[in-house]
Amino acid sequence: EIVLTQSPGTLSLSPGERATLSCRASQFISSRFLAWFQQKSGQPPRLLIYGASSRATGIPDRFSGSGSGTDFTLTISRLEPEDFAVYYCQQYGNSPPFIFGPGTKVDF
Amino acid sequence: QLQLQESGPGLVKPSETLSLTCTVSGGSVSTNNYYWGWVRQAPGKGLEWIGSIYFTGYTYYSPSLKSRVTLSIDTSKDQFSLTLSDVTAADTAVYYCATTPPTIADDYWGQGILLSVSS
Repeated sequence: EIVLTQSPGTLSLSPGERATLSCRASQFISSRFLAWFQQKSGQPPRLLIYGASSRATGIPDRFSGSGSGTDFTLTISRLEPEDFAVYYCQQYGNSPPFIFGPGTKVDF
Repeated sequence: QLQLQESGPGLVKPSETLSLTCTVSGGSVSTNNYYWGWVRQAPGKGLEWIGSIYFTGYTYYSPSLKSRVTLSIDTSKDQFSLTLSDVTAADTAVYYCATTPPTIADDYWGQGILLSVSS
């Protein structure tokens, strides 16, 4: 069973700064099946990136995803105040479970 | 624009069976665009995928919950459902229905329903 590790656990940054979040898998994941989600307190998650690098509908281009194999990255080029949230990666390849990583909190 | 809405009891006793329903509006569950699934989040914790179902009835389950979980879909009502048997306090969480896992460029989530397991 694949295990996802996200780092860092918390990222303390200021508006305007660049955020780089890591998601590492214990086994190979096809890049077609890696997604990133944003979750704000009291809200459901929102899809940001699917297929490792494709932005979901309505997602600003300051969000970008990259990576392949076992190492994936979510980059927020310039943090806006509304970007301070928890970010989760999820793998959804051929075999369940379609697990989420433990999350990275981006705070101010 | 799809809308998803969870419904079910907010409180269940230990060892009982939980049943939750997700009603889809603004579209149909009989589409090959999405999987319909359930994700839960224990208080202060991360996201846990429970399982997903396709409109054909094909299901995927989390191995850790598979022995206790059943997903079903009712295309005539545009609803899909989750049953979780033999619940314990560890099943206390907010349960979300959603178009999960992602298949295309958009996804939809319900607002979540808090389930508490307590005697």
